Amino acid sequence: KAGVTQTPRYLIKTRGQQVTLSCSPISGHRSVSWYQQTPGQGLQFLFEYFSETQRNKGNFPGRFSGRQFSNSRSEMNVSTLELGDSALYLCASSLWEGFPSPLHFGNGTRLTVT
Amino acid sequence: DQQVKQNSPSLSVQEGRISILNCDYTNSMFDYFLWYKKYPAEGPTFLISISSIKDKNEDGRFTVFLNKSAKHLSLHIVPSQPGDSAVYFCAARETSGSRLTFGEGTQLTVNP
Repeated sequence: KAGVTQTPRYLIKTRGQQVTLSCSPISGHRSVSWYQQTPGQGLQFLFEYFSETQRNKGNFPGRFSGRQFSNSRSEMNVSTLELGDSALYLCASSLWEGFPSPLHFGNGTRLTVT
Repeated sequence: DQQVKQNSPSLSVQEGRISILNCDYTNSMFDYFLWYKKYPAEGPTFLISISSIKDKNEDGRFTVFLNKSAKHLSLHIVPSQPGDSAVYFCAARETSGSRLTFGEGTQLTVNP
């Protein structure tokens, strides 16, 4: 079974631009979550989607948004990029929302803002 | 407020010996705990989990222990292998949610 797939793997953007990251979950997984990893803050929760609905949101500004499609694929968007948005963005999927099943992560998108 | 803490940034052990990684938490609402391993340039890989109704879960060389009264969990790796060298994160989930709160990670180095 294919794992979580994130595209692109690497991205370089300029301050003020916007970016869209894509995630395809493991087949059959309906819950998709996004996390940001930075050296200073560690792994921080961004948001979680289940059945195309945002179920949970972390403490990030409104510039960070996401959505989920009917096939469970998800995208996240960051507008008006800032230097501090440089990070590894990780997508994770799980089998069943509310059931104690582990998250399975993709390899991430490394975003560099210059 | 760091609700999940891994107080040891690094740990070095000899191949074949036991590796013990520790994690403390403060939130009493956490009921599901997980350990992940992460190599550079890759996403975290799920290792093992434990529900709060248990105090031990074992999977091959990996055993996780949960002490709810002390709000402490640990991951034991026996025997340790050089391929286990990676950053290990513990994570916790609240009863009513699906978001994971992660610790800062511990860099494990297993020396041949």
